[in-house]
Amino acid sequence: QKEVEQNSGPLSVPEGAIASLNCTYSDRGSQSFFWYRQYSGKSPELIMFIYSNGDKEDGRFTAQLNKASQYVSLLIRDSQPSDSATYLCAVGGYQKVTFGIGTKLQVIP
Amino acid sequence: DTAVSQTPKYLVTQMGNDKSIKCEQNLGHDTMYWYKQDSKKFLKIMFSYNNKELIINETVPNRFSPKSPDKAHLNLHINSLELGDSAVYFCASTLGLDSGEQYFGPGTRLTVT
Repeated sequence: QKEVEQNSGPLSVPEGAIASLNCTYSDRGSQSFFWYRQYSGKSPELIMFIYSNGDKEDGRFTAQLNKASQYVSLLIRDSQPSDSATYLCAVGGYQKVTFGIGTKLQVIP
Repeated sequence: DTAVSQTPKYLVTQMGNDKSIKCEQNLGHDTMYWYKQDSKKFLKIMFSYNNKELIINETVPNRFSPKSPDKAHLNLHINSLELGDSAVYFCASTLGLDSGEQYFGPGTRLTVT
């Protein structure tokens, strides 16, 4: 079983819609959770982090965490073509962070 | 000001050669990492250093040797390059060992022919 699982996509959504990206993790003791955005040919960039169960909102982005279900999600409201990128879920463990394979998001104008 | 910088950006070399990649961060962070991102885009940790001390060595062949002369620098030397070493190598830094908020360098695209 992979430590951090994501659907690689691509996930296609029309401009203005809500994009929903999902991630599950295997280590029940994980305490910190991150979403990174990676544009093609660029390096990953941190966009959200969440440590507690529930929702955390930052602009058009909402991170959701459910530790009981070992599930993390990222919602992007009013999706824009500039949101087209690969979104990497990352889970903090002992002295390191483990990344999922990433979900490629395509926002169609 | 570039927070995490890497050189070179591109590296094309032949099998069997030895090459180095350099990384520097000006964020004042204590912890630095090397990641490998392969053709399938999977980002996998290779090494981490905290205040010049090796913390993580993730089953990487011993042809790969990291070196941290000070906490702002982490270099990666690769001996006897193989075709399978072709990938993008990212350096990253965090405030400390328990911080997952990583700042990545621009990456070094290594192509072994």
